[in-house]
Amino acid sequence: KQEVTQIPAALSVPEGENLVLNCSFTDSAIYNLQWFRQDPGKGLTSLLLIQSSQREQTSGRLNASLDKSSGRSTLYIAASQPGDSATYLCAAPSGGSNYKLTFGKGTLLTVNP
Amino acid sequence: DAGITQSPRYKITETGRQVTLMCHQTWSHSYMFWYRQDLGHGLRLIYYSAAADITDKGEVPDGYVVSRSKTENFPLTLESATRSQTSVYFCASSPLRDSPQQFFGPGTRLTVL
Repeated sequence: KQEVTQIPAALSVPEGENLVLNCSFTDSAIYNLQWFRQDPGKGLTSLLLIQSSQREQTSGRLNASLDKSSGRSTLYIAASQPGDSATYLCAAPSGGSNYKLTFGKGTLLTVNP
Repeated sequence: DAGITQSPRYKITETGRQVTLMCHQTWSHSYMFWYRQDLGHGLRLIYYSAAADITDKGEVPDGYVVSRSKTENFPLTLESATRSQTSVYFCASSPLRDSPQQFFGPGTRLTVL
């Protein structure tokens, strides 16, 4: 059974800092890994999807990496802004599928002005 | 507007009552999903559907029923609501064949008294 762990559970940084969010998963036979953002009281917004054949995926100030052999993914946020404050969720597929997602419990990020 | 919508956004019901949560998407995505989000458990998959008239269980299906007679709709029914089903419910969809990215609705907050 896939298990996804995110560390840290919460992170508070001053504006402008570069930061890294960590995600680990137990079943490395995955087709892809996704990172989501969730604002309070809202649904999830897909940020990045990394296919198993890729090692990195970038979107603006966000860069996600995937290391299947070690069961780890990181989300790098450059030059953080107060608008980046949200909960960030990592999700890995389970059961040999590429769509039955197992989610981590998230990292609550606060960027202070 | 295009996208994925859920209704109602908020629902209070009593133990034993039947409740149906609605999900509608305008993208013609083949796959649709229902998740519940609870403190301490994160997001968990309840049911999913690969196409009209094709549904399958996720991680926590007990007490729930789904149907999908049309591609764009995927209702979730709690046949006899229990307090443990108090949660925030999210519907999601994915084109899958083109990309396994999942796109989420805004959620329904359900309280069972």
